[in-house]
Amino acid sequence: DADVTQTPRNRITKTGKRIMLECSQTKGHDRMYWYRQDPGLGLRLIYYSFDVKDINKGEISDGYSVSRQAQAKFSLSLESAIPNQTALYFCATSDITGASYNEQFFGPGTRLTVL
Amino acid sequence: AQTVTQSQPEMSVQEAETVTLSCTYDTSESNYYLFWYKQPPSRQMILVIRQEAYKQQNATENRFSVNFQKAAKSFSLKISDSQLGDTAMYFCALIQGAQKLVFGQGTRLTINP
Repeated sequence: DADVTQTPRNRITKTGKRIMLECSQTKGHDRMYWYRQDPGLGLRLIYYSFDVKDINKGEISDGYSVSRQAQAKFSLSLESAIPNQTALYFCATSDITGASYNEQFFGPGTRLTVL
Repeated sequence: AQTVTQSQPEMSVQEAETVTLSCTYDTSESNYYLFWYKQPPSRQMILVIRQEAYKQQNATENRFSVNFQKAAKSFSLKISDSQLGDTAMYFCALIQGAQKLVFGQGTRLTINP
């Protein structure tokens, strides 16, 4: 079974609809991240959470909100979807250790299309 | 703010050839990590290789190696004996401090038979 899962894998929705993308992990990591991938722009950070009580905005948080329901679950919501939110969305996790760097592990991605 | 730039949107080589993907970056920090990620058509993000800024020696993982030029802020990826399975998008990325990855725009690499 995959360590980081995302649901749904693909979603088509209409402008103005509320949509939630979910991420779950079995790695026991404290840190979770949401990224957005657009052609020609790479991946950009939307929100990140270092533990259940810690939520931080990333580079492009406008139009998005998140919820960290538990250590293992981190959801991304689009309150009123718009077409320029059409993108590939990735969840990632990392551990907290004494090291200066902790590898991030990515989920399989959610392809979202807003019509 | 840190930035990562990949100036080659697409590259194409023949199988078994060697190919080099370019990446430049900007950061004000002295300690950071650099990465190359591979994204095949399956969309999965796969870590290919990483380099710590403090280490002089270039990282190597089997057929993948990097040329890390700290003063020039350059971090290129060399793929030797390229294989059809190397066909993918490749992203250069930088991380420092708060553990937030900053990605380049990506290079689409095609290995032709």
